[in-house]
Amino acid sequence: QSALTQPRAVSGSPGQSVTISCTGTSSDVGGYEFVSWYQHYPGKAPKLMIYSVTERPSGVPDRFSGSKSGNTASLTISGLRTEDEADYFCCSYAGTYTIFGGGTTVTVL
Amino acid sequence: QVQLRESGPGLVKPPETLSLTCAVSGYSIGRDSYWAWIRQTPGEALEWIATIYHKGSTYYNPSLNGRVSITMDTSKNHFSLHLYSVTAADTAVYYCARPRIAPSGHYFDFWGQGTLVIVSS
Repeated sequence: QSALTQPRAVSGSPGQSVTISCTGTSSDVGGYEFVSWYQHYPGKAPKLMIYSVTERPSGVPDRFSGSKSGNTASLTISGLRTEDEADYFCCSYAGTYTIFGGGTTVTVL
Repeated sequence: QVQLRESGPGLVKPPETLSLTCAVSGYSIGRDSYWAWIRQTPGEALEWIATIYHKGSTYYNPSLNGRVSITMDTSKNHFSLHLYSVTAADTAVYYCARPRIAPSGHYFDFWGQGTLVIVSS
């Protein structure tokens, strides 16, 4: 059960777009349409941003979007805002267990 | 709004048992639902530990080699984690969360803030 691979950090200026990748295998990301993404401010409860690869829960801005190609899922934040500065981690169903990514810190320059 | 709050000792001696409780408000855990524990060790990815279904079925991460137990108490609307024979490697922030498991998706829609547990003698 190796963790999903995410870049440690990405950054962008306000208004720009950033994309965070989440790479797994055909046994997890590539094998199911069950990738989710979470926003996490340190010391706070993680917040669900995307589920089932592309679905946004009610209340999540449409600036956040998800996609998947093969064994790699992606989260794109468009029109970056200062409040988007946080940690983001991905998660995938893997049959008999759930696996997470290592997390990516998004910095708004 | 569903809210979860973890509680338990912040320091546990090896090889004792780590016990945490997750109090749930805004939702009855006895309803058709799942509940889970997840942890994040320093510098590492999050790790799913265990899930319990409201009817009592339990699911565990095999990497924990049978050292874990998840239980629920519907009368108190909380569920608990017990991790046996802890070592320093079990030092982590422990989160409780509500998994949503359906043909349409597997994800965690509500989380607690997490509680840090340090294993040290």
